[in-house]
Amino acid sequence: QVQLLQSGAELKKPGASVKVSCKASGYSFTRYYIHWVRQAPGQGLEWLGLINPRDVSTNYAQKFRGRVTMTRDTSTNTVYMELRSLTSDDTATYYCARGSLEGLIHSWFDPWGQGTPVTVSS
Amino acid sequence: DIQMTQSPSSLSASVGDRVTITCRSSQGMGNYVAWYQQKTGEVPNILIYGASTLQSGVPSRFSGSGSGTTFTLTISSLQPEDVATYFCQNYNSAPWTFGQGTKVEIK
Repeated sequence: QVQLLQSGAELKKPGASVKVSCKASGYSFTRYYIHWVRQAPGQGLEWLGLINPRDVSTNYAQKFRGRVTMTRDTSTNTVYMELRSLTSDDTATYYCARGSLEGLIHSWFDPWGQGTPVTVSS
Repeated sequence: DIQMTQSPSSLSASVGDRVTITCRSSQGMGNYVAWYQQKTGEVPNILIYGASTLQSGVPSRFSGSGSGTTFTLTISSLQPEDVATYFCQNYNSAPWTFGQGTKVEIK
């Protein structure tokens, strides 16, 4: 079945970077967009951006431009999200999620990865 | 950016009650709206897409309606397993924004 498996929890100091992985299985990796969404403790959902694994094109939320980079490795069907210059406000669970419709950017998210908790603390 | 304003932020209802959650967008967006359910400690799960299409496997007591700027999620008969937070989502244009969520509890 279609599955997204994320890397484990991270503890980072302010100013550091974090790189979260999302390994896809059960479908043709390059045919679906992958989005990244985060959720701070007890808060709502915030979209960080997307990557098209076919051509590596990206679209980042303006709030994160200059601080986030999304990449992919087709040899392992894995997408990566790196967030730099971390502050305590970046403490959240980070999710990858697949666009549901093949090749279409305007699509809801299904499925989601299990989430990667990232804690930023000195 | 399209802002998604969801109401109410929380509600408490009895088992069997009809529950309605509203999401208003700051711009018209056709029917590019999805609804997700997130139970405590779990991953968001798609319920409705295209404003009114029920995802396969989702109970028929859930329904969605609306177009343009006002959208609703309705639970026709609230069940204990429906306790969760519900989010609407814009997928009409970047950034893909979410409503702030509605926490549904049993009275």
